[in-house]
Amino acid sequence: DAGVTQSPTHLIKTRGQQVTLRCSPKSGHDTVSWYQQALGQGPQFIFQYYEEEERQRGNFPDRFSGHQFPNYSSELNVNALLLGDSALYLCASSSDFYEQYFGPGTRLTVT
Amino acid sequence: GENVEQHPSTLSVQEGDSAVIKCTYSDSASNYFPWYKQELGKGPQLIIDIRSNVGEKKDQRIAVTLNKTAKHFSLHITETQPEDSAVYFCAAKINSGYSTLTFGKGTMLLVSP
Repeated sequence: DAGVTQSPTHLIKTRGQQVTLRCSPKSGHDTVSWYQQALGQGPQFIFQYYEEEERQRGNFPDRFSGHQFPNYSSELNVNALLLGDSALYLCASSSDFYEQYFGPGTRLTVT
Repeated sequence: GENVEQHPSTLSVQEGDSAVIKCTYSDSASNYFPWYKQELGKGPQLIIDIRSNVGEKKDQRIAVTLNKTAKHFSLHITETQPEDSAVYFCAAKINSGYSTLTFGKGTMLLVSP
């Protein structure tokens, strides 16, 4: 049973560019949450998708947007990249209100 | 919103010793408290969790305790091994019906042989 998968593993972008990150949830999970983890910090909640709708959102600007597909996979889009957007982006999937399982993350570097 | 404080930020122990990491939370509505282990270059791995209807949960060398009155919970690792070395995060979830976690800042645990 495959766990949560994310692509790509690493990404380097220039300020002002746009980026799309992808996530496939664990089999049987229908909810996907995205987190940003800066170096030396805990993950910060960006938003959560359920039934192809954004169900909840953390304190992130509108430059961060997402999408969930009918097969429950999800994308995170970030527009007008800033240097401060450099971080590890984590996807977590769940099937109930409790346990969340994380993927390996995508390391985004903005230069 | 919820705020989670975690201590210590770093913890060094000798192999075989016990390690304790403590967290406090601010919102009394929180009802779910997981612990994650994150190794270098990997995503966080769920290692144990506790819900507010129990005070303690144990899984082999790992245990978690919860004191809802004081709003704090702790991770206990006994008989530590070098492979336990990692960053550990506590988290709390507000009882809103949605699976949204608020994390502590992490504890780097180093177990020396």
